[in-house]
Amino acid sequence: NAGVTQTPKFQVLKTGQSMTLQCAQDMNHEYMSWYRQDPGMGLRLIHYSVGAGITDQGEVPNGYNVSRSTTEDFPLRLLSAAPSQTSVYFCATARTGYSEAFFGQGTRLTVV
Amino acid sequence: LAKTTQPISMDSYEGQEVNITCSHNNIATNDYITWYQQFPSQGPRFIIQGYKTKVTNEVASLFIPADRKSSTLSLPRVSLSDTAVYYCLVGDYGNDMRFGAGTRLTVKP
Repeated sequence: NAGVTQTPKFQVLKTGQSMTLQCAQDMNHEYMSWYRQDPGMGLRLIHYSVGAGITDQGEVPNGYNVSRSTTEDFPLRLLSAAPSQTSVYFCATARTGYSEAFFGQGTRLTVV
Repeated sequence: LAKTTQPISMDSYEGQEVNITCSHNNIATNDYITWYQQFPSQGPRFIIQGYKTKVTNEVASLFIPADRKSSTLSLPRVSLSDTAVYYCLVGDYGNDMRFGAGTRLTVKP
């Protein structure tokens, strides 16, 4: 039982490149979210999903796309990386809207 | 979407009780109050959740007054390992659960 798995753990991109951050969970949770955390700051919600086939925008969605084709996976796509997207990205899952959320270990992304 | 307000930072000493208060004046009837702890380079970890009155688990207590416009996380007898950032969240994940800036707690020897 791995919980929430994020890959890769570290990534360096050049400005303008695209990439996908992976998030997989084996807890059969319906709710999944992506957050970014800049140095010394709190977490900001990028996108979230309340179930397969359903996604919605959070507070900072620009420059990111998501899809939820299965319950287990919730990939985050950076369309054209910018230095402002340098951050640590966390994926979270929850069984219901009101239950405890479980977070992955994060992906540290640097855009140069 | 209920917004939360917490102190930016707090200092304490080992063995003391620490109380962190969170204001959420616009809390909705269906909203729960949830607290998370985050250590550097790690994802947040659930501490406690409540709806009203008092909730206690093995690591903390959560006090919620009748009007639910604020809540207080109580950490008994803190140790150096409790140094972390503590976040108060209000709402549910189906309605865009957002973290604020959190409270940076520093426990001194």
